[in-house]
Amino acid sequence: QTVVTQEPSFSVSPGGTVTLTCGLSSGSVSSGYYPSWYQQTPGQTPRTFIYNTNTRSSGVPDRFSGSILGNKAALTITGAQADDGSDYYCVLYMGGGMVFGGGTKLTVL
Amino acid sequence: QVQLQESGPGLVKPSETLSLTCTVSGGSISRYHWSWIRQPPGKGLEWIGNIYYSGSTKYNPALKSRVIISVDTSKNQYSLKVNSVSPADTAIYYCTRWFDHYYYMDVWGKGTTVTVSS
Repeated sequence: QTVVTQEPSFSVSPGGTVTLTCGLSSGSVSSGYYPSWYQQTPGQTPRTFIYNTNTRSSGVPDRFSGSILGNKAALTITGAQADDGSDYYCVLYMGGGMVFGGGTKLTVL
Repeated sequence: QVQLQESGPGLVKPSETLSLTCTVSGGSISRYHWSWIRQPPGKGLEWIGNIYYSGSTKYNPALKSRVIISVDTSKNQYSLKVNSVSPADTAIYYCTRWFDHYYYMDVWGKGTTVTVSS
């Protein structure tokens, strides 16, 4: 069974740029997997951030952007702020269903 | 604006059936597709399954043998049943609205915690 892979953790300095990735244990991620990204702060409900690879949901700051980089989907934060520290999950559409990555815990310090 | 609210027992005994309901307000359940997602304590999110406005369903292969999702349009609700539960089914369960145009979830309920324990 194909696994969706994400970095377990990442750290970025305030004002810095960071790119989180979403890959496959076998194969490459393309736009045909309709990558989406969800932010979850501890104890809170997940919030939809990016869908269809690079479309920001309503209210998401434009410092967040989605793309395909090489063989992975990517979420880039440009000019990170302290409250961007959260868990970020990617989801790929595969085989008629959805598969979550394991999530990346982003620390801003 | 569509809002979702999960409801159901917070404690279920091992081997029994977990039953949850999601009430949709602010819009007709018949116009959209819907999902269930869960999150075990301290772990990541897991897709359980979808139900489409046609009534057809799609389940996570790992759970397919134990899960049923159904819809009651008269009550603007949809439901989740998980059979033969074990402590591994302990989780926060979220209901969400799902868009098949770009295959993503755009509206989330607040989630409900279900504990499987004797």
